[in-house]
Amino acid sequence: NAGVTQTPKFQVLKTGQSMTLQCAQDMNHNSMYWYRQDPGMGLRLIYYSASEGTTDKGEVPNGYNVSRLNKREFSLRLESAAPSQTSVYFCASTPGQETQYFGPGTRLLVL
Amino acid sequence: GNSVTQMEGPVTLSEEAFLTINCTYTATGYPSLFWYVQYPGEGLQLLLKATKADDKGSNKGFEATYRKETTSFHLEKGSVQVSDSAVYFCALMNYGGSQGNLIFGKGTKLSVKP
Repeated sequence: NAGVTQTPKFQVLKTGQSMTLQCAQDMNHNSMYWYRQDPGMGLRLIYYSASEGTTDKGEVPNGYNVSRLNKREFSLRLESAAPSQTSVYFCASTPGQETQYFGPGTRLLVL
Repeated sequence: GNSVTQMEGPVTLSEEAFLTINCTYTATGYPSLFWYVQYPGEGLQLLLKATKADDKGSNKGFEATYRKETTSFHLEKGSVQVSDSAVYFCALMNYGGSQGNLIFGKGTKLSVKP
């Protein structure tokens, strides 16, 4: 069991470039989440997916899109990156509404 | 709305010292409460949780008791080790909308010196 995996681990973008952050889980969990972590801000929810085929906005969705490709995979896309999106991005999954399991994170720097 | 407030860090302790990290919450109803830990360069891991009032969560020598009357969930450990150096996040389960998600405090960085 790899748990929750994320790629890439680190990425540098220029303002206006696009990229997709990948997340996959092998625990057969229904729900998946994307958070961003900024210094002094804790983690804030960007988008979540309660089940395959459904997605909902979280606290800070602007500038992002998501795709729940199948039960295993939940991707986060930045269409036109901005310096304000410099952050560490975490994907998480849960079988229900309790404990969430987190990936190792993707560090994104937007210049 | 629901929120979590935890003590600001950083907290620096000597090995074997007693640790308390305060956490209070605002929520409607009785949400489940969690402590997550993030070691340097890693993702978050669940440390402990409590699902109802007066429950005590415990793991790896850490404890926290769900106190409804004071809306608190303080994290304690009797004797910290260098390996406990990490960032600790208090969180509650938000049941608003169609799916629960976690609401986190801002995190408290703990450094333990030998």
